[in-house]
Amino acid sequence: DAGVIQSPRHEVTEMGQEVTLRCKPISGHNSLFWYRQTMMRGLELLIYFNNNVPIDDSGMPEDRFSAKMPNASFSTLKIQPSEPRDSAVYFCASSSGDSRLAGGVDSPLHFGNGTRLTVT
Amino acid sequence: KNEVEQSPQNLTAQEGEFITINCSYSVGISALHWLQQHPGGGIVSLFMLSSGKKKHGRLIATINIQEKHSSLHITASHPRDSAVYICAAQPMYSGGGADGLTFGKGTHLIIQP
Repeated sequence: DAGVIQSPRHEVTEMGQEVTLRCKPISGHNSLFWYRQTMMRGLELLIYFNNNVPIDDSGMPEDRFSAKMPNASFSTLKIQPSEPRDSAVYFCASSSGDSRLAGGVDSPLHFGNGTRLTVT
Repeated sequence: KNEVEQSPQNLTAQEGEFITINCSYSVGISALHWLQQHPGGGIVSLFMLSSGKKKHGRLIATINIQEKHSSLHITASHPRDSAVYICAAQPMYSGGGADGLTFGKGTHLIIQP
């Protein structure tokens, strides 16, 4: 099992540029979560998908952020245009089971290694 | 809104010491997670529990639902245990799913040889 795979590991870009972060969940997992981690706010949920459908995107900070999951094995988080305050580590996590149960006592979360984004 | 507080924020100890990290939360939960974030940034799920106690190797996690409190213990600590330990609570009002997770700010643990 390769685990949750995120790419790139590091991304440095200039303000105004488009940034695309990628995630491949664990095969068979049908819930996928995007988190952002900053020193000030810790880990925050941005959006989660169940069976490729976005269930709750209330954590997405602004319209500059968008996420897609075109199939069960791939998701993207896009920021356009990027701003310096978007600098953070972005984590993808996946879990099996229903979205209401994902991460519950029988469906642990599996995290990717994260993408460290720096916007200058 | 669920508030999750961890203590201490930073902890430095000598190899071999018994370590305790505390987590308190403010609302009824369906599950509590303990995560470990390595110095390289990767996050690993250590425990998920809704009652009682769980043990894995030198790690022990306990939870007291009535007191809304959980602890993570490390016995015979080792420098490789140095990491950030994060607790996360799933409030019942969210339906119990991971979409409702609220994370603590983490405890930075350093174990010196």
